[in-house]
Amino acid sequence: DTAVSQTPKYLVTQMGNDKSIKCEQNLGHDTMYWYKQDSKKFLKIMFSYNNKELIINETVPNRFSPKSPDKAHLNLHINSLELGDSAVYFCASSQIHGYTFGSGTRLTVV
Amino acid sequence: DQQVKQNSPSLSVQEGRISILNCDYTNSMFDYFLWYKKYPAEGPTFLISISSIKDKNEDGRFTVFLNKSAKHLSLHIVPSQPGDSAVYFCAAKATSYDKVIFGPGTSLSVIP
Repeated sequence: DTAVSQTPKYLVTQMGNDKSIKCEQNLGHDTMYWYKQDSKKFLKIMFSYNNKELIINETVPNRFSPKSPDKAHLNLHINSLELGDSAVYFCASSQIHGYTFGSGTRLTVV
Repeated sequence: DQQVKQNSPSLSVQEGRISILNCDYTNSMFDYFLWYKKYPAEGPTFLISISSIKDKNEDGRFTVFLNKSAKHLSLHIVPSQPGDSAVYFCAAKATSYDKVIFGPGTSLSVIP
């Protein structure tokens, strides 16, 4: 019974493809996030949703589109994948302070 | 523009000794600070936090110290254990804005 689960764990795809990463949390938290860990290991916020509403949208290309069908799910869809999108993507949820992270999705664009 | 800095990319410590991980921040609006620990192929896990109204918070072997005037915090682990070997991320947030900013991490190796 993983608290924050994301699938798939690994994703290898060609440039130009469209792919989705799914995230689900069973903690009852109101807020969910997507973070990107780049090649320099920085964890940078991409999006934040509170109760299905977009709260934070950092300067992320509009090829990235989050979708929150309900407050327990936050999926990330990426169109026209580019080499620079290769990274580890972490989903997280929070209630007040502190996040609970998923185990990450390693995306490799070839 | 790094708002949260961890200037030591790596640190090696002998088992049983103290590990001290340092973190500096630039944004004076930050009022809550967190430390996360990350093992390879896993997501970061919450370790300990501190509010800006305190200067110390202790939880077992882990203690976080906050020096607001210097915009500096540190995580002390004592005694260090081999299982503590991981990457430690310092993070900060401003209560008025729900966004946690992470530092680049420090990789700690505890040598048996």
